[in-house]
Amino acid sequence: DVKVTQSSRYLVKRTGEKVFLECVQDMDHENMFWYRQDPGLGLRLIYFSYDVKMKEKGDIPEGYSVSREKKERFSLILESASTNQTSMYLCASRPRDRNEQFFGPGTRLTVL
Amino acid sequence: GENVEQHPSTLSVQEGDSAVIKCTYSDSASNYFPWYKQELGKGPQLIIDIRSNVGEKKDQRIAVTLNKTAKHFSLHITETQPEDSAVYFCAASKENTGTASKLTFGTGTRLQVTL
Repeated sequence: DVKVTQSSRYLVKRTGEKVFLECVQDMDHENMFWYRQDPGLGLRLIYFSYDVKMKEKGDIPEGYSVSREKKERFSLILESASTNQTSMYLCASRPRDRNEQFFGPGTRLTVL
Repeated sequence: GENVEQHPSTLSVQEGDSAVIKCTYSDSASNYFPWYKQELGKGPQLIIDIRSNVGEKKDQRIAVTLNKTAKHFSLHITETQPEDSAVYFCAASKENTGTASKLTFGTGTRLQVTL
């Protein structure tokens, strides 16, 4: 079974803090994605990566950065957290030769 | 870029009835249309997908239809059961398995199956 794990299920941070969200997949997938999920807005793509050290902006990259130093790990970084970044963050991975994306359980981030 | 609209946002049906969720997309070059189901406390999971070279696909109680001309596709669930209660997302993309093709998701439909 494909397993995508995220470092925390719940996280509470203060405005201005630097926040790291970690995602690890165990199926040697080339592609990894970070989404945020908000009520009424669905899933919106923040960043994705199709290989180690490669990254591409998604639809809403402002305020975020990413890091992919190893194939299995994709990190989302909030350099200076703001209240409007309070959301559910979902990580996903996909092998190069399939379209199905496999999602982690999500991290619910609250920025106070 | 691609824009996907999804309706309704909430849907309540009685157990055994059918449920239909509809999506429209804007980019005529999109050719891959998956549906994901998200149960409470979990990440979304692919339940069915369709490519633009077919008009309909079935898998047991679920089916998806695609109308390329009108740029809309629908999810049909027959004989609904309580375990069908979840949030459903449609998505669209230009299928490209060489690199990371991006999915554009709809806004989601919360389906509630009542006893």
